[in-house]
Amino acid sequence: EAQVTQNPRYLITVTGKKLTVTCSQNMNHEYMSWYRQDPGLGLRQIYYSMNVEVTDKGDVPEGYKVSRKEKRNFPLILESPSPNQTSLYFCASSLYPDMNTEAFFGQGTRLTVV
Amino acid sequence: AQSVAQPEDQVNVAEGNPLTVKCTYSVSGNPYLFWYVQYPNRGLQFLLKYITGDNLVKGSYGFEAEFNKSQTSFHLKKPSALVSDSALYFCAVRRSGRNTGNQFYFGTGTSLTVIP
Repeated sequence: EAQVTQNPRYLITVTGKKLTVTCSQNMNHEYMSWYRQDPGLGLRQIYYSMNVEVTDKGDVPEGYKVSRKEKRNFPLILESPSPNQTSLYFCASSLYPDMNTEAFFGQGTRLTVV
Repeated sequence: AQSVAQPEDQVNVAEGNPLTVKCTYSVSGNPYLFWYVQYPNRGLQFLLKYITGDNLVKGSYGFEAEFNKSQTSFHLKKPSALVSDSALYFCAVRRSGRNTGNQFYFGTGTSLTVIP
């Protein structure tokens, strides 16, 4: 089954403790991205990757890191999480970064930083 | 700035009645518009997209959307609502240009409740 898989689905952590949220897609998509969803703000892009070893900042990259060593994986790293990073996170992928291609989304990771 | 707006946070409709979820856009150049649906505890699912051509776009689950260039709108519609259509709906535009990654810009979402 074609899908984007995120892990974990739920995570509660403490301020400053490094964490990684994994994202994997099995559709051989070139383009992957991370979003955070907050009430009243919709989804905002954190980072994106056009292909392996090519990553760039989205609209809200502060406090986050990513890597794209393999085509299928695009982990999101929070080196020192803070409470304002409490949010619902989505990984997405699309076949190409072309304008007319839709994105496929993972099921989300709900992160709480206390 | 290129963006989309969803003017209604909440839409309620009776089962069997037609539904409309509104979206307006602001882009330079040709718009690439999308609708996604989010069910509780699930990721976003693609419903339909407008790239070019017919102004009426048909998508999944009986949904359709009407592109109106003069009004810069892309409203989502369904002739007869089902209780199972109750969900959060997002309009999105895909933005072009250097250093943007052709990223999606999402509206703030509209919560649709279909009343039995």
